[in-house]
Amino acid sequence: EAQVTQNPRYLITVTGKKLTVTCSQNMNHEYMSWYRQDPGLGLRQIYYSMNVEVTDKGDVPEGYKVSRKEKRNFPLILESPSPNQTSLYFCASSFIPPASYEQYFGPGTRLTVT
Amino acid sequence: KNEVEQSPQNLTAQEGEFITINCSYSVGISALHWLQQHPGGGIVSLFMLSSGKKKHGRLIATINIQEKHSSLHITASHPRDSAVYICAVGDDKIIFGKGTRLHILP
Repeated sequence: EAQVTQNPRYLITVTGKKLTVTCSQNMNHEYMSWYRQDPGLGLRQIYYSMNVEVTDKGDVPEGYKVSRKEKRNFPLILESPSPNQTSLYFCASSFIPPASYEQYFGPGTRLTVT
Repeated sequence: KNEVEQSPQNLTAQEGEFITINCSYSVGISALHWLQQHPGGGIVSLFMLSSGKKKHGRLIATINIQEKHSSLHITASHPRDSAVYICAVGDDKIIFGKGTRLHILP
């Protein structure tokens, strides 16, 4: 089954404790992206990757890191989480260019930073 | 910078009504996407449009590239259509509208 998986689905952590949210896709998509969704602000792009070893900033990259060492995986790293990073996070993937292809979304990761 | 505006923000309607959700954007694009997010949170892609009109079941999406405007229509709406509908544009960097929360009453 074609899918994007994210782990963990729920995470409660404390300020400053490094964490990684994993994202994996099995569709051989070149494009992968991370988004956060907040009430009143909607979905906003954090980082995206057009292919292996190619990453670029979205609208809200501060406080986040990503890497794309393999085509199928695109982990999101919060090196020192803060309460303002409490949000619902989605990973997505598609063929390129993403404007021309359907994006497949992961199930979401609800992160709470206290 | 591309701005994406959706209207209305919230919409409540009776079952069977014809629904229209609008999306406007500020700069030229190659395509626009409509997404659906159900109360459980999962997001699925409904349409990708670069011109004209597309239909899938009771859902119809149209786009006018010159006017920088797209609409999503739902005919014979049903309570299971209750969801948040989101438009999105971008060739690599993706910008989303804030979404339209639709509630269909039985």
